[in-house]
Amino acid sequence: AQSVTQLDSQVPVFEEAPVELRCNYSSSVSVYLFWYVQYPNQGLQLLLKYLSGSTLVKGINGFEAEFNKSQTSFHLRKPSVHISDTAEYFCAVSEGAPQGGSEKLVFGKGTKLTVNP
Amino acid sequence: KAGVTQTPRYLIKTRGQQVTLSCSPISGHRSVSWYQQTPGQGLQFLFEYFSETQRNKGNFPGRFSGRQFSNSRSEMNVSTLELGDSALYLCASSLGGWGLAGTYEQYFGPGTRLTVT
Repeated sequence: AQSVTQLDSQVPVFEEAPVELRCNYSSSVSVYLFWYVQYPNQGLQLLLKYLSGSTLVKGINGFEAEFNKSQTSFHLRKPSVHISDTAEYFCAVSEGAPQGGSEKLVFGKGTKLTVNP
Repeated sequence: KAGVTQTPRYLIKTRGQQVTLSCSPISGHRSVSWYQQTPGQGLQFLFEYFSETQRNKGNFPGRFSGRQFSNSRSEMNVSTLELGDSALYLCASSLGGWGLAGTYEQYFGPGTRLTVT
């Protein structure tokens, strides 16, 4: 079974500083990778996804992620964060992709990003 | 287009009771997945339905069950509630079927927060 490891449970940063949230996955086959964000008392919102092609993926709100197959990593980055980016971020891998069938997502434990003024 | 809706948003039940949660997917989406979110275990996959058929099931006891109707709306049921069932239950919908319209994106509802006392 696939697993996802988010190396940092909490990341505090100052406003306008860059941030990187780390994610590693375990898989011996091709996978689809996702980053979701969850604001307090809300569901999850898709930030970006990697399906194939360019290893640098750009998402919403100025976030981007780089897929590194050799290191089985999919780290999320933003060059300058805002107070409004304070939220919990989840990395996920699709267990059924790309062979088809189930769309089950396996999530990491999450990283709480706190942006301080 | 309306998003994924879940009802009720909050629920308080007593141990031993049963509960039914409802999820209405985005119009046109045929796949519905359910996840349980707790502080200790994080996001865990419960089950997935596609065109009224259960396509995948997570590692949860038989007390957890679900179904999907012909209009793609889904319900999940938990019988004989235990204190450990207290969680945020998230529903996600997608077009369904890897390769069908190919967006591979799951859209999450706001969740139902279940408290078992």
